[in-house]
Amino acid sequence: DAKTTQPPSMDCAEGRAANLPCNHSTISGNEYVYWYRQIHSQGPQYIIHGLKNNETNEMASLIITEDRKSSTLILPHATLRDTAVYYCIVSPGDKIIFGKGTRLHILP
Amino acid sequence: DAGITQSPRHKVTETGTPVTLRCHQTENHRYMYWYRQDPGHGLRLIHYSYGVKDTDKGEVSDGYSVSRSKTEDFLLTLESATSSQTSVYFCAISGGGPYNTEAFFGQGTRLTVV
Repeated sequence: DAKTTQPPSMDCAEGRAANLPCNHSTISGNEYVYWYRQIHSQGPQYIIHGLKNNETNEMASLIITEDRKSSTLILPHATLRDTAVYYCIVSPGDKIIFGKGTRLHILP
Repeated sequence: DAGITQSPRHKVTETGTPVTLRCHQTENHRYMYWYRQDPGHGLRLIHYSYGVKDTDKGEVSDGYSVSRSKTEDFLLTLESATSSQTSVYFCAISGGGPYNTEAFFGQGTRLTVV
């Protein structure tokens, strides 16, 4: 079973920051938090991952709470091309199990 | 883009026939995965491999077998295809180490069993 909980859908206005939450209260010490997204019927795309520190790359920022029980993916300036299903996954780096994710709608 | 190729991209087959899907990588990654995606179910892990000849079951492995005889190829076989195996199949690869654990996905294979 997936070990994360995400809202099924969210809306965000174009140009604003999109903040996608994820709860992973049973995360183990050796498990990373990963975020992927899937645009339409394409293969999922890796976005970012982290263990306990906040991370930032050219696509997004990942904020992990100090107790590691939840995290937030931030897309700083959402565009229409960011419309996708976003998946939060916890894994030690071997088996990758997807949950249902959050369907993000970017509104023009 | 990561070097990962799935073949075929589309296939129509008849119930009861064997089908093999191929995933080929040029990244020398340790881990390889097979998923299926159906409407309303999201991505479900079928089998994965953590090295040559090392494989393990995923969430929905019944009716599927896999083989990995060399690092670059991971084969998914449906011994006797059924209509319930009509789906889009995705392959993924991952380094699996502490610094390169992100997975890269292929473009998918659309399989229709009639």
